[in-house]
Parts: sequence; C-alpha cells; structure tokens
Amino acid sequence: EAGVTQSPTHLIKTRGQQATLRCSPISGHTSVYWYQQALGLGLQFLLWYDEGEERNRGNFPPRFSGRQFPNYSSELNVNALELEDSALYLCASRAQQGKNTEAFFGQGTRLTVV
Amino acid sequence: GENVEQHPSTLSVQEGDSAVIKCTYSDSASNYFPWYKQELGKGPQLIIDIRSNVGEKKDQRIAVTLNKTAKHFSLHITETQPEDSAVYFCAASSQTGGSYIPTFGRGTSLIVHP
Repeated sequence: EAGVTQSPTHLIKTRGQQATLRCSPISGHTSVYWYQQALGLGLQFLLWYDEGEERNRGNFPPRFSGRQFPNYSSELNVNALELEDSALYLCASRAQQGKNTEAFFGQGTRLTVV
Repeated sequence: GENVEQHPSTLSVQEGDSAVIKCTYSDSASNYFPWYKQELGKGPQLIIDIRSNVGEKKDQRIAVTLNKTAKHFSLHITETQPEDSAVYFCAASSQTGGSYIPTFGRGTSLIVHP
C-alpha cells in the first residue's frame, strides 16, 4: 500500500512569489493535515482538511491557505513568500473512521525562499 | 490550547545504554499520545502510541509510560543501537468528538555512539 506522497520534494522560490505544495493521502484516508517544520521549532500545525472542508487552522497568517479535492488529495498554497517561510512542510493523512486512527506523514517538501 | 514540552533537546548515549525522553502536556482532555521518529531527510514515522486508559505500553525495545495525574509521558529505549539515532517527537491530542489535531513537542535529537 502506498504511503502519503508529497510533491515536489524541494522547491526554491523568491521572496514575494507564491508556492504550491501537493499531498496525496493514503488510500481510504479522508483527513489531511499540514505542518510546518522550521529549524528548532518542531512541528507547527497549519491546516486540517476532512471530506473536502477546512476543519481547523493553526496560528498562521491568511497567506497560508489550501484546499482538499474530491479524491482527498490536498494542496497548500503560500502567497507573498517571506524568507522565514523557509521550512520543511509535512503532510499527514488519517482515517477518520475505524479503529486505527494514527496519522501517517509524508516525506515533506523542503521550501527555500531566497 | 494544548502545550507540549519535551526534554532533553539533545541526548547522547553509548550503544547498549538506555535512553529516556520525557514530555509534559497541559490539556487534561488529551487522551492520545503518539511518538514519532524522524530520520534525516524523511518524514516522521509513528513508532509507538499510548491511550489514556493504560499506563504503559511496550514494543520490543521501546516502551512508553503515561501518568495522567501529573500530565507527563515518557519514551524509553533499551539496548540502544546506532540506527536508533534520529529526532524523536512526542505529541498529545484529544481524539474525542471526531477532532484530532496532535500538538507536538520540539523534538529530541538522539545520538547513539557505536
């Protein structure tokens, strides 16, 4: 069974540009979570999508946004990029129903803003 | 919201020694506590979890203990091996009501010297 896949693995953007990151969840998982992992700060919760709807967002500005598609894949968009947005962006998926409700992470997208 | 503190930030041990990582949480409603291992260049991987209805769980060389009264939980790794070297994250979450947003600690970098 394929795990959570994220693309691209690396992304380099210039300050002020927009970045789009993609995530495909494990088959059968309806929930997708996005986390930002900046150096020394652990994993900071960004967004949670389930069944196509945004369910919750973390303490990030509105220029961080996203969506979830009917096939449960998800996109994270970061507008007006700033240097401090440079980080590893991790996507996790989870089955909302059933006994095994652990979250499984992808390998991440390394975003570098120059 | 939930706040998770994790200590130590760095842990260096000799191969064969035991390693202990400790976390505290603030929200008494949290009832699910996963631990993740993140190797260089990879996403976090779930290694063990514990729910609030048990005090201890073991899986081969890994064990986790939970003290709900004191709001702390710990990861114990026995007979450490060089391949245990990685960053370990604890997390806490409530899984009631269909909502699940794990809050992570800042991570512990475990170095196992051969």
